[in-house]
Amino acid sequence: AQSVTQLGSHVSVSEGALVLLRCNYSSSVPPYLFWYVQYPNQGLQLLLKYTSAATLVKGINGFEAEFKKSETSFHLTKPSAHMSDAAEYFCAVSQGFQKLVFGTGTRLLVSP
Amino acid sequence: EAGVTQSPTHLIKTRGQQVTLRCSPISGHTSVYWYQQALGLGLQFLLWYDEGEERNRGNFPPRFSGRQFPNYSSELNVNALELEDSALYLCASSLMTGDSGGYTFGSGTRLTVV
Repeated sequence: AQSVTQLGSHVSVSEGALVLLRCNYSSSVPPYLFWYVQYPNQGLQLLLKYTSAATLVKGINGFEAEFKKSETSFHLTKPSAHMSDAAEYFCAVSQGFQKLVFGTGTRLLVSP
Repeated sequence: EAGVTQSPTHLIKTRGQQVTLRCSPISGHTSVYWYQQALGLGLQFLLWYDEGEERNRGNFPPRFSGRQFPNYSSELNVNALELEDSALYLCASSLMTGDSGGYTFGSGTRLTVV
């Protein structure tokens, strides 16, 4: 069965610093991979998705993620953090005709 | 285009009562998914409906049930509410089973059991 592991339940950065949120997946077949963001008291919003096209995926709000098969990773990055990026981020995996399986989430804290 | 809509947005119930949550998917989406997000427990998969059929069920007791209607909207029913059922219940929809585009989520129903 597929699964994802998000390293670090909380990540703190300063405004303007690099954001790096880690996600490693486990899948027996080429996966579909997703990053979602959740702002307080809201649902989840899709940031970006990997569906076996380009390995470097660009999403909304300046975020991007790189699929690395050799490392079974799909880390999320943003060159310069903004205060509005403070939220919870979820990595998710799907193996085609299966439901999405989510990681436990990483809360991003951005300080001035 | 209207997104996934959930109702009600907030709900307070007493332990032992029953509750029904509703979800309308994006027009054209046939798959509906329910997740429970309790404090500190992440997103726990509850139920998956597609074309009116239950496709998969998470590790929840039978008092959690639901259905999908011919117009693809869905209800989640929880009987004999317990305090630990307090959570944000999220509904999501997708174009079809296994859609590689991912899910579109609603804003959720916040259920508080007292």
